[in-house]
Amino acid sequence: EAQVTQNPRYLITVTGKKLTVTCSQNMNHEYMSWYRQDPGLGLRQIYYSMNVEVTDKGDVPEGYKVSRKEKRNFPLILESPSPNQTSLYFCASSFSRSSYNEQFFGPGTRLTVL
Amino acid sequence: GNSVTQMEGPVTLSEEAFLTINCTYTATGYPSLFWYVQYPGEGLQLLLKATKADDKGSNKGFEATYRKETTSFHLEKGSVQVSDSAVYFCALSAFGNEKLTFGTGTRLTIIP
Repeated sequence: EAQVTQNPRYLITVTGKKLTVTCSQNMNHEYMSWYRQDPGLGLRQIYYSMNVEVTDKGDVPEGYKVSRKEKRNFPLILESPSPNQTSLYFCASSFSRSSYNEQFFGPGTRLTVL
Repeated sequence: GNSVTQMEGPVTLSEEAFLTINCTYTATGYPSLFWYVQYPGEGLQLLLKATKADDKGSNKGFEATYRKETTSFHLEKGSVQVSDSAVYFCALSAFGNEKLTFGTGTRLTIIP
C-alpha cells in the first residue's frame, strides 16, 4: 500500500531533550516536506527536500533540522525542543517538483513539550 | 506573498443540507488550487484540485471551480452526509513551486 508513515504518533517530552520524528514513504517520491499545524494558523511548511542531499528552509524553520540521506526517509530533528514547538506535525511527499502534483500526507505526530 | 483565506468555522449543518465553504486566494502568476480534507485522527488527503482558470475539480459529490476573476475556489456539495464531518483546507501552490500554502481550515460537523 502506498503510504507515508511517521513515528512516533504521539510524544510528550521536556524542554531541551533532543528528539527525532521519522518519516518514510514507499512511493519513490522525490519531494518531501514537513509541516506543522496549529489552531487558527493552518499548516505551515518547516523544511522541504527536492531530492537526496537537497534540503531547504520553509516558512518556519527555526529550531528544526532535517536530513535526506535516502530517498525514502526524511527525519525531523528538534535538537533542543521548547514549549512553542508543541504542535501537530505532518510529513508529506509528492512525485516531483510541480505545482500540479498531489501531496501525500502522513498520519501526523502530536508533540507536547513541557 | 501567497495567501489563502477561508471561511471561519466551525460550520454545523443537518444531513442533506447544501454546503458552501468559501475560499479566496492571493498569488502571483497562475497557481494550482486544492481542497484537502482531514478526518478525525488522520492526515490530510486530497479531495479535489484545479490547475487552471475555469477548471472544475470534483470528487465524492464535492465541487469547486477555479475563478480567476474573483480569485476564488469555493467548495460546494449539494447534500452532505454525516460522514463528511471533517476539517477542510483550501490550499494553493504557485507555478514552479511544490510548497502548499494553506488556509486556516474549516471544521464541518454534520448532524443526523
